[in-house]
Amino acid sequence: SQQGEEDPQALSIQEGENATMNCSYKTSINNLQWYRQNSGRGLVHLILIRSNEREKHSGRLRVTLDTSKKSSSLLITASRAADTASYFCATTGNQFYFGTGTSLTVIP
Amino acid sequence: NAGVTQTPKFQVLKTGQSMTLQCAQDMNHEYMSWYRQDPGMGLRLIHYSVGAGITDQGEVPNGYNVSRSTTEDFPLRLLSAAPSQTSVYFCASSEPHETSLHFGSGTRLTVV
Repeated sequence: SQQGEEDPQALSIQEGENATMNCSYKTSINNLQWYRQNSGRGLVHLILIRSNEREKHSGRLRVTLDTSKKSSSLLITASRAADTASYFCATTGNQFYFGTGTSLTVIP
Repeated sequence: NAGVTQTPKFQVLKTGQSMTLQCAQDMNHEYMSWYRQDPGMGLRLIHYSVGAGITDQGEVPNGYNVSRSTTEDFPLRLLSAAPSQTSVYFCASSEPHETSLHFGSGTRLTVV
């Protein structure tokens, strides 16, 4: 399988804390993307980082990419209850390949 | 724009039946794809298309057919449904060259 893997599989934090999710992948990539999925819904694109970038910010999101280790991390700062969702990384080479996801629960 | 529209939202099939899951997008995207999502397995690519008249297999194509006669539509056909095809199916589209995917709301399929 060309899928990535997210770590941890599940994460539970208090509102206001930071949440960090990690993604490891197997093949060389052109870019890496993070998506969010609320329960019972389709995925929504959050942020894209290109293979020649090391860090990218968007609002409360911070993504890092280490191509030598084939890994990425997503940091959500000052989490809110509304951030409760599953988060997936997706790598693009020829196609989009998704990881297995991290389920984040933010407790109010 | 409606984005990516999938129908039906729910479907129950008997083993051996066939059906078509519909997917349409109104964003003039060249790239379209079908994924299935199973607990603990993430999203797995079934088939994809880089433009009208062009389709190719993903990771888990067996038991599924696709066609792409127009830019807008990308139906997924189950030839003879099996319980192992019970899953949530997502259609997604994007502009060419690895930009972000736009997802439909999914079809929850149960094969009994």
